[in-house]
Amino acid sequence: SQQGEEDPQALSIQEGENATMNCSYKTSINNLQWYRQNSGRGLVHLILIRSNEREKHSGRLRVTLDTSKKSSSLLITASRAADTASYFCATDDQGAQKLVFGQGTRLTINP
Amino acid sequence: DAGVTQSPTHLIKTRGQQVTLRCSPISGHKSVSWYQQVLGQGPQFIFQYYEKEERGRGNFPDRFSARQFPNYSSELNVNALLLGDSALYLCASSLRWDRRNSPLHFGNGTRLTVT
Repeated sequence: SQQGEEDPQALSIQEGENATMNCSYKTSINNLQWYRQNSGRGLVHLILIRSNEREKHSGRLRVTLDTSKKSSSLLITASRAADTASYFCATDDQGAQKLVFGQGTRLTINP
Repeated sequence: DAGVTQSPTHLIKTRGQQVTLRCSPISGHKSVSWYQQVLGQGPQFIFQYYEKEERGRGNFPDRFSARQFPNYSSELNVNALLLGDSALYLCASSLRWDRRNSPLHFGNGTRLTVT
């Protein structure tokens, strides 16, 4: 079963705009991770935020975590066509490295 | 260094048949996990192996089994295939099975189609 919900399920924006994706989860966690998946390929790790952290940055990525609301958001700034992919959040509530993924947000960047 | 490699990349099987999928982890990684990703869904955890021992199992029937070899490579076996087993099967590796706060490294998966 899936851990939680990602919102929106699909997002289409123009190149250069910012993209925001949200993730909610149900149980207490040790960390929350975001992964990217290009069509039909494997997942690539983007960023990991620990439960005692509130915000983390990596290049054009910004992740926030609100454990009181059991939610996280991923912001991609100045989007590029190469950012077109599906984005998944994952939590480790079942144990170290037994990740529970959301259903993903399909992001399309229009040139 | 090579990443996680999986074989074959694509596979077509008939209902009732058996299938074996293979995974080679990143050099030095001793933990291998398997995930099933049905089209349009997020991956679901199937198994985790470390030092040839099963360290975790997801909510999958006994038709699914796996093993890990001394060189840390792994095989996932699925017996009596059903149409619903059609999915992308992903393998992921990591240094240890019990290390929190470290990411997984995924292969590109095996696309299994059951007809």
